Amino acid sequence: SAVISQKPSRDICQRGTSLTIQCQVDSQVTMMFWYRQQPGQSLTLIATANQGSEATYESGFVIDKFPISRPNLTFSTLTVSNMSPEDSSIYLCSVTSSDEQFFGPGTRLTVL
Amino acid sequence: GQSLEQPSEVTAVEGAIVQINCTYQTSGFYGLSWYQQHDGGAPTFLSYNALDGLEETGRFSSFLSRSDSYGYLLLQELQMKDSASYFCAVSTGNTGKLIFGQGTTLQVKP
Repeated sequence: SAVISQKPSRDICQRGTSLTIQCQVDSQVTMMFWYRQQPGQSLTLIATANQGSEATYESGFVIDKFPISRPNLTFSTLTVSNMSPEDSSIYLCSVTSSDEQFFGPGTRLTVL
Repeated sequence: GQSLEQPSEVTAVEGAIVQINCTYQTSGFYGLSWYQQHDGGAPTFLSYNALDGLEETGRFSSFLSRSDSYGYLLLQELQMKDSASYFCAVSTGNTGKLIFGQGTTLQVKP
């Protein structure tokens, strides 16, 4: 199994600012995933973060808006840049271990 | 395109059995998994099927038919704490990436 922590757990931000979300895993993993869950909606994959290479973004998500760092095998950050109210969501990081996907507790972001 | 269909809401009583269906249309298929999410919580893994057939884990079972692009989650002996959202998700490769269905809200009544 994998235990994942995220910081911050929640934040309220002003339009136009940026927020960096941290994700820490208790074991080394090759790939980490960042998902977004808008209010009352399902989860949508933003990007896959590999250690030592650039993140791979899904359709509709771009690096300028959601820059990702992956400095080592247990840590990643996702930045939500130039925020607007439409970015209000829960952001979750996730890893795969033995065919199971584990999720962090999420970061609940509200943009005013 | 890629799509997963599941019912938006299901209601059942304590002690009953409920089945949540999921049909999928994706480019590539590696496996179907199920997740439970309580209000305000993170999704938690319930089961994974890569091959046809039934997988049983306690009160929860999951079934897959690859030829029909169909699976279901079966919850037995329902308890009030089972009230949550349930998501099916498809792995399209061995990378760990998941495509999620829209989720089924299960309400268990006394």
